[in-house]
Amino acid sequence: DAKTTQPTSMDCAEGRAANLPCNHSTISGNEYVYWYRQIHSQGPQYIIHGLKNNETNEMASLIITEDRKSSTLILPHATLRDTAVYYCIVRGANSGYALNFGKGTSLLVTP
Amino acid sequence: DSGVTQTPKHLITATGQRVTLRCSPRSGDLSVYWYQQSLDQGLQFLIQYYNGEERAKGNILERFSAQQFPDLHSELNLSSLELGDSALYFCASSAGGLYPYEQYFGPGTRLTVT
Repeated sequence: DAKTTQPTSMDCAEGRAANLPCNHSTISGNEYVYWYRQIHSQGPQYIIHGLKNNETNEMASLIITEDRKSSTLILPHATLRDTAVYYCIVRGANSGYALNFGKGTSLLVTP
Repeated sequence: DSGVTQTPKHLITATGQRVTLRCSPRSGDLSVYWYQQSLDQGLQFLIQYYNGEERAKGNILERFSAQQFPDLHSELNLSSLELGDSALYFCASSAGGLYPYEQYFGPGTRLTVT
């Protein structure tokens, strides 16, 4: 599975958009980009995933570059409850679609 | 609430002992995954079962084993426990195993080995 690179930490003011970047330059054609988050010691929570096209759901938007080498997760109006570690995961069939969590980005949303 | 349940929530045991962690997947989900989260290793995939059969293996120690039963619940057995096995153990489930369906995680079991 392709490796991902994310910033260690980011801050965001409450009510503003949080843009979390992820690099996955070795991604292959059949691998998906997934985003999960983990609020302190709780079970990870699925946010969104995509293959090539940009995706949006009630939680967030996912923007994938045309060459698929990077992506950005956008939380449009961050709240204090969005403070969490966000994981960008590239996932394919080789590992049975298991999730390979890295270190993620620790997002702190401040009042 | 993800719909995935795990029992027990907390478990404290001594080195050398054996424990069993239980997971009930979301209704209708066929795949179950087990993950371990320790302070120094982060979230690590252990093993996946799909409809009762082992589908993929990750960094699972030989002292650990798992199974998925006909009613699709799963158990993770940890034996000859060591201090380093202290961790959060998460179970996740997904609809299937032949497509990267999103995984839904349970609240975890916190294992403390003393």
